[in-house]
Order: sequence, then structure tokens, then C-alpha cells
Amino acid sequence: QLQLQESGPGLVKPSETLSLTCTVSRGSISSSRHFWAWIRQAPVKGLEYIGSVFHNGDTYYNPSLKSRVTVSVDTFKNQFSLELNSVTAADTAVYYCARRVLSVGGPDYFDEWGQGTLVTVSS
Amino acid sequence: DIQMTQSPASLSASVGDRVTITCRSSQNIDNYLNWYQQKPGRAPKVLIYAVSTLQSGVPSRFSGSESGTDFTLTISNLQPEDFATYYCQQSYSTPWTFGQGTKLEI
Repeated sequence: QLQLQESGPGLVKPSETLSLTCTVSRGSISSSRHFWAWIRQAPVKGLEYIGSVFHNGDTYYNPSLKSRVTVSVDTFKNQFSLELNSVTAADTAVYYCARRVLSVGGPDYFDEWGQGTLVTVSS
Repeated sequence: DIQMTQSPASLSASVGDRVTITCRSSQNIDNYLNWYQQKPGRAPKVLIYAVSTLQSGVPSRFSGSESGTDFTLTISNLQPEDFATYYCQQSYSTPWTFGQGTKLEI
């Protein structure tokens, strides 16, 4: 079964850049049926969709974060990455990578998730 | 952005009960509605997509329905492993948005 694993620093200083990588195993990131997504969950808060990337590099970003976010893909390493710059305490959250299923005539949905990684923004 | 409003925020129930969780969208989203289950310290898991289609491996005691902009997740014959937080999510219009969650407690 497909597995996703987030990696990256658990502590980032304010105004710096948060960088995370998601490694996809037991499956190919070059699938034509899937986008690869980042979703976060702030403490005691709900889920927020950050953005996603296709294997050809096409991206989608949540407009609320678009000015600060970059999502990229490395098909050779079977990985995709998140960069969020100019972070503040409000960016403290558990960050999940997930696989987004592209549905025909129906809703896309997230069918596989990483375990999540807590990133704290603090000096 | 489309707002997804879940009710109730929390719900107490017992093993064997039948419970219903509602999600209301701020505008029409057709059948572009999914449900997720999240247990403490774990990632969400998709239960239902397209309003009522069960994800592979999800028990049949979970079901979904819709009435206009109101969507319902029903869990029949509650099992101990069902106590968790449930989220709805729309993928009709970007940015995809989630409800605030319903915590199902014993």
C-alpha cells in the first residue's frame, strides 16, 4: 500500500522559511490520476488545504497562502515539497502530505495521508 | 470561499447507538462532498466521497446522504473504534474547504 512520509525541521524561527518534504513509497508520484497535496491543522483548529502539485509540475495554491507558498515535485526521488516563507506563530500546525484523487464527474478527495509532522514557529 | 458548517460540534453516544452528523455548505456544491474520520494523533482517513460512496474497506455502518446544501453522515450500530472526530470537505470550488469537525464521544 502507498505510504507517504513527511520530513523536515520541527522548529522554525519567525520570518524564516518552513520547508518540508514528503516521500512517496510503494507507489509512483508520476500517476496521471493523482495530485499531491499539503494540508495543515493548527492546534485545536480545523484542517486547511495549502496546495498541491501534479507530476508535471502543475500547481494549485490556496489563495489565502499563495503569496508565501511553493509546492514542487521531484519525480526522480518520488518526492514533493512545501516551502512556506515569512512564517509567523500562526503557521504553527501539524503539516500533512496527502494524495488527492482526481475524480471524473465527481469530487476529488484525499485518500492517502502521511502521519503528519508538527512544525512550531518560535524564536 | 465556500463555508462548511458542521453540527453538532460534539456528540455523546454509546456503543450500539445510531448517530447523525450534519454538514451545511454556504452554497450549492452538487455531490462534491467527502467525509473523513480522525482519531487523536492520527491523520484523517476518508470514509465517504461523492456524498454517499464508501471508500474501500470502510464498514457499511457508515452512510452518507444529502438534501440540497445539507449533507448527513450516519453511523449505525456505533462501535468503540468509531469514537473520533469527523470532518466534511467540499471539492466543488477551490480552495477546498473543511468543516470545523464533530467530536463523537462516549
